[in-house]
Amino acid sequence: DAGVTQSPTHLIKTRGQQVTLRCSPKSGHDTVSWYQQALGQGPQFIFQYYEEEERQRGNFPDRFSGHQFPNYSSELNVNALLLGDSALYLCASSDSRVLVSTDTQYFGPGTRLTVL
Amino acid sequence: AQSVTQLGSHVSVSEGALVLLRCNYSSSVPPYLFWYVQYPNQGLQLLLKYTTGATLVKGINGFEAEFKKSETSFHLTKPSAHMSDAAEYFCAVSGSYNTDKLIFGTGTRLQVFP
Repeated sequence: DAGVTQSPTHLIKTRGQQVTLRCSPKSGHDTVSWYQQALGQGPQFIFQYYEEEERQRGNFPDRFSGHQFPNYSSELNVNALLLGDSALYLCASSDSRVLVSTDTQYFGPGTRLTVL
Repeated sequence: AQSVTQLGSHVSVSEGALVLLRCNYSSSVPPYLFWYVQYPNQGLQLLLKYTTGATLVKGINGFEAEFKKSETSFHLTKPSAHMSDAAEYFCAVSGSYNTDKLIFGTGTRLQVFP
């Protein structure tokens, strides 16, 4: 059973460019959450997708957008990249039908984005 | 609102010594608490979680944590450190649903010396 997978592993972009990161959830999971982890910081919640719609959103600007596909995989898009967007982007998947007492969110290995 | 505070951004111990990583939380609803570990250049791995019931929770790799409501704490301990325990540790809080967002602390880097 494959866990959460993310691609690419590493990415280098320049300021002003746009980037798309991809995530495939754990088998059986229907919800995908994205987190940004800046160097030396804890992960911060960006947004969550369920049934192909954004369900929750953290304190991130509209430059950050996403999408969820019918197979539950997800993309994170960042427009007009800033130096401060350099971070590890983590994807987590979960099953909306269970409570945290019986299951948990599973994290992928992340995509390291460097903005020059 | 929920928040997590991890006291000590760096903790150093000798191999075989007790590991104690501190976490205090704030939550307006009954909290669900987690400890995750992150090895260099990797994602997050769940060590243990507290949901309901027994307040002493045992996790993987010999770690355990105790939920103390009166102290709003969820400290992580391991009786005897191993070199392989060197990593970044994150405490997190969420609501009761599996899809609730996780609120993380800033992390504690554990160094283990021989």
